[in-house]
Amino acid sequence: QLQLRESGPGLVEPSDTLSLTCTVSGGSIGRGSCYWGWIRQPPGKGLEWIGSLYYGGNTYYNPSLESRVTISVDTSKNQFSLRLTSVTAADTAVYYCARGRDDYKWWTHDYWGQGTLVTVSS
Amino acid sequence: QSALSQPASVSGSPGQSITISCTGTSSDVGNYDFVSWYQQHPGKAPKLVIYDVTNRPSGVSNRFSGSKSGNTASLTISGLQAEDEADYFCSSYTNRPTVIFGGGTKLTVL
Repeated sequence: QLQLRESGPGLVEPSDTLSLTCTVSGGSIGRGSCYWGWIRQPPGKGLEWIGSLYYGGNTYYNPSLESRVTISVDTSKNQFSLRLTSVTAADTAVYYCARGRDDYKWWTHDYWGQGTLVTVSS
Repeated sequence: QSALSQPASVSGSPGQSITISCTGTSSDVGNYDFVSWYQQHPGKAPKLVIYDVTNRPSGVSNRFSGSKSGNTASLTISGLQAEDEADYFCSSYTNRPTVIFGGGTKLTVL
């Protein structure tokens, strides 16, 4: 059974960089036709797609975040990562990593991590 | 890019059917059959219940069904059960290309 787990600091200071890692078990990031993505949810609010990546290098980003976001992959560790620069309080959210459906359908997510709350505050 | 439009809340009694709408534009819902629906219980991760407008992932109850007409997609839950009480989010592929979500609908089972 495929499982995803987010890890990283729960508190980030304003203007700093938010860095999270998603560890995948029960399946390989470096094989197949799936994209791997990040979605966030501010407390009490809706979902916002951040971006998606294919292990071969292709990426898609939310235009509203694109100037601050980098998603990368480490196939040797079966992990992918999120980096968000110049954070503000508006970036406080639960961050989820998720798998895009088979056959390169990066816009639909069928497996999700449990989520990790990141708070931006000094 | 604005979020897809969903009603803030819907409710129904056990055994009844409810429908949640998701309205977009010709740049997303109206032009692509790539609408998904997610169920989210409090404190839990979203769960995919419908993809590509009408398809159910393996293991999802056949009480969940999806449809689309023009720029509006819909999720119908029939034979409502207490466990269906949750937040529901729609999402769609867009022509930019990106993914856009709806604001979410809180389903209350009376």
